[in-house]
Amino acid sequence: EVQLVETGGGLIQPGGSLRLSCAASGLTVSSSYMSWVRQAPGKGLEWVSFIYSGGSTIHADSVKGRFTISRDNSKNTLYLQMNSLRAEDTAIYYCARQGDSAWGAFDYWGQGALVTVSS
Amino acid sequence: QSVLTQPPSASGTPGQRVTISCSGSSSNIGSNSVNWYQQLPGTAPKLLTHSNNQRPSGVPDRFSGSKSGNSASLAISGLQSEDEADYYCAAWDDSLNGVVFGGGTKLTVL
Repeated sequence: EVQLVETGGGLIQPGGSLRLSCAASGLTVSSSYMSWVRQAPGKGLEWVSFIYSGGSTIHADSVKGRFTISRDNSKNTLYLQMNSLRAEDTAIYYCARQGDSAWGAFDYWGQGALVTVSS
Repeated sequence: QSVLTQPPSASGTPGQRVTISCSGSSSNIGSNSVNWYQQLPGTAPKLLTHSNNQRPSGVPDRFSGSKSGNSASLAISGLQSEDEADYYCAAWDDSLNGVVFGGGTKLTVL
């Protein structure tokens, strides 16, 4: 059974940094295409970042230069380093696996980690 | 403002058939496959259909996706109370080089 478990969320002041982790079981992060998707309170879904199996990464324009997706193959864990946080980054952050079909078809999701950016 | 446009709400009575639309452009829906998600309150999204009209294993055949040009639709037949949820469409966008989502449609079962 596939499980994705996010940790690291919390309350952080504007301008601060936070690192989210997503521990995977039942799938191998290094051979999967993995993503972070966020959802602001009461709002819709927004794709944030992708890391491909080869290690290359892409980020949405809204977080480019501030957020970095990475992984630790030995820990089978995905990360999202978030710097220069803003109030508009407040959201539930989900890690998700890109399935073997169409791009944007995420077949496994974590339960989410809440990040609140506020003074 | 979402790149893909969905109606904010839809409703139907038990047993009825409802459709939810998703409108995009040539850089997303027009040139890439569409996926649909169901999000029940307080839970993570669940992949409902992918590649325009394919269902993952375990998804009832009451749910069906379709695409035509720059638009897509999700149809739910034999509506049930447990279908009350938020529904999102998603696709790759060649211009933005990323995944784009619709703003979501809240489905109410009357």
